This record gives sequence, structure tokens and C-alpha cells, in this order.
Amino acid sequence: DTGVSQNPRHKITKRGQNVTFRCDPISEHNRLYWYRQTLGQGPEFLTYFQNEAQLEKSRLLSDRFSAERPKGSFSTLEIQRTEQGDSAMYLCASSLGGGAAGANVLTFGAGSRLTVL
Amino acid sequence: RKEVEQDPGPFNVPEGATVAFNCTYSNSASQSFFWYRQDCRKEPKLLMSVYSSGNEDGRFTAQLNRASQYISLLIRDSKLSDSATYLCVVNGKNRDDKIIFGKGTRLHILP
Repeated sequence: DTGVSQNPRHKITKRGQNVTFRCDPISEHNRLYWYRQTLGQGPEFLTYFQNEAQLEKSRLLSDRFSAERPKGSFSTLEIQRTEQGDSAMYLCASSLGGGAAGANVLTFGAGSRLTVL
Repeated sequence: RKEVEQDPGPFNVPEGATVAFNCTYSNSASQSFFWYRQDCRKEPKLLMSVYSSGNEDGRFTAQLNRASQYISLLIRDSKLSDSATYLCVVNGKNRDDKIIFGKGTRLHILP
């Protein structure tokens, strides 16, 4: 197991274009989280999944953002009609979930950096 | 009140000194607490979980105060390699709730 993998690592796009990021979590992890981070700030919660079910989506997230985890394994985060304010690092993390000790310990991927011109 | 609050710093501390950070959280029903470390341009990594009884890992000590709703991190005999951003992390009211990060406290260890 190589940990949490995110692709692409970098994406430069023009305003108005759509972008999609992929996250492959640790295989035995049931929970998958998406966060957004800008310079000097902590990771900001976007959404999370328990297997294929999306449990919560941040109220700060506009309708241009959508995430899926169709088979409970990898996840995609799509941003439609990108804006310059969407420029950020998009971090994916996974955890075991459930009631076991350490269930909420997150393992992060290296992130996908988005630059919107 | 923000869900998780931290002093952003930076804390500029001479090598060998002891430094402590606090973090407050708003949800009294929160169940899980952590400190993560984030190096520049890297992803966050777990430093330590915070247990009700407090816990220690080498030079690092974490404590939880449920009554006042804060957690703390103490670093003794600080090293240059301790320079990083320290993120306070709390889950929501249920064990299955989302996990929220503070904005982080920047620490610079000075030679």
C-alpha cells in the first residue's frame, strides 16, 4: 500500500474551465475526506464519505463543487466554471472510520494544487 | 465562535527552549482530539492523539481540558527540526462527525 494518492499534483487552468481531481485512499480505509488549503491557513473541510455515502458537505461549498466516491474506493472532486478564488491546494485524506481506536486518524495525500488564471 | 481556534503565531523560540500552544474548540460534545504537524509545502501528518488523561511522546506532551474546552501541546528541549506549523484537530459531536482543523500555529526554532 503506497498511502493516499492524488492526481494530478498540479493543475493550471483558465477561469471558466472545469477541473477534476482524483484521490485513491488507503485500501482498507472506509472514510475519505476532501479539504482545501490556502497559504497561511489550515485545511478547510469540504466534504467526506463513509464508503460510497457522502455524509456531509460544507455549507461554504458552492454548487460548482461536486464530489463522488462511486464504489467506495477512489473519489473525484470536480469544480465547474472555475474562478480565481478557487486557486488552492486540494487535500484528500482517508481514515479507518468506525469505533476502533485510531479510527479518526487521517492520512493525507500530497495534494493537488490548482491555479486558476 | 469558530469551531477550532489557535494563535497563528509565529512563535520564535531559541533552540533548547520549551514552548507551549493552546487550542480552543467550540463543540463541548467533541470526542477526538489530535495535533498534526505540517511542514512548508507538505501535507499534514499526525503528531499525536490527545487523550483525556493526557499523553506524552518523547519531548512532546499533549493535554485535554474538557471543562475549559481546550487542548495543549508542550514541546520540551526544542530542536531546529521542530520548526513547522502545528495544527489542532477536533472531530464533531459524534464519533462519526467531520474532522475540523484549526488554522495552525507557526513555530520557528532559532539557532
